Amino acid sequence: NAGVTQTPKFQVLKTGQSMTLQCAQDMNHEYMSWYRQDPGMGLRLIHYSVGAGITDQGEVPNGYNVSRSTTEDFPLRLLSAAPSQTSVYFCASRPGTAHVNEKLFFGSGTQLSVL
Amino acid sequence: SQQGEEDPQALSIQEGENATMNCSYKTSINNLQWYRQNSGRGLVHLILIRSNEREKHSGRLRVTLDTSKKSSSLLITASRAADTASYFCATDVGAQKLVFGQGTRLTINP
Repeated sequence: NAGVTQTPKFQVLKTGQSMTLQCAQDMNHEYMSWYRQDPGMGLRLIHYSVGAGITDQGEVPNGYNVSRSTTEDFPLRLLSAAPSQTSVYFCASRPGTAHVNEKLFFGSGTQLSVL
Repeated sequence: SQQGEEDPQALSIQEGENATMNCSYKTSINNLQWYRQNSGRGLVHLILIRSNEREKHSGRLRVTLDTSKKSSSLLITASRAADTASYFCATDVGAQKLVFGQGTRLTINP
């Protein structure tokens, strides 16, 4: 199993550009989520999904859209990038949704710079 | 503000010494988890302790949980250079949301 795969690893955008960060998992996990990590701020939850067709907001959802059309994929869209969205983005998944007593599996991250 | 806050923010010790880092949180929890992050990489799950547990061990790791004080500690015994990383606690804050603290940056000096 590849686990959680994120692409691209690095991206530079200009203010106002749009892009999609890709996340795929091959573990048949129901739950998937996106976090952003900023220096001194730890990880903050952006959006999450408990299954195909179901998404919900986390702590910092503004400026980001998500969709979950398949169990495997959970892309994160930046509609109009802003410098404040410069960060490292992590996708994470876990097997089920019935309990939060389960560990998260993380991807290796996407480092995004918005100029 | 963050649900979980780690203390200290940075810790530097000699190889072979024990490392202790602490996590405090604000609301009631079902469980608390600890993760490790090596530089530039994704987080890796270390250990989970449930709210009805007081102590848990995994190899050189020992985690304690005091729900009355809303705090947890992670002890790494006999530290090694490979333990150099950032360590995060994470707590569940209601349906499907896991909230992470700001992390403790641990450096093991040879």
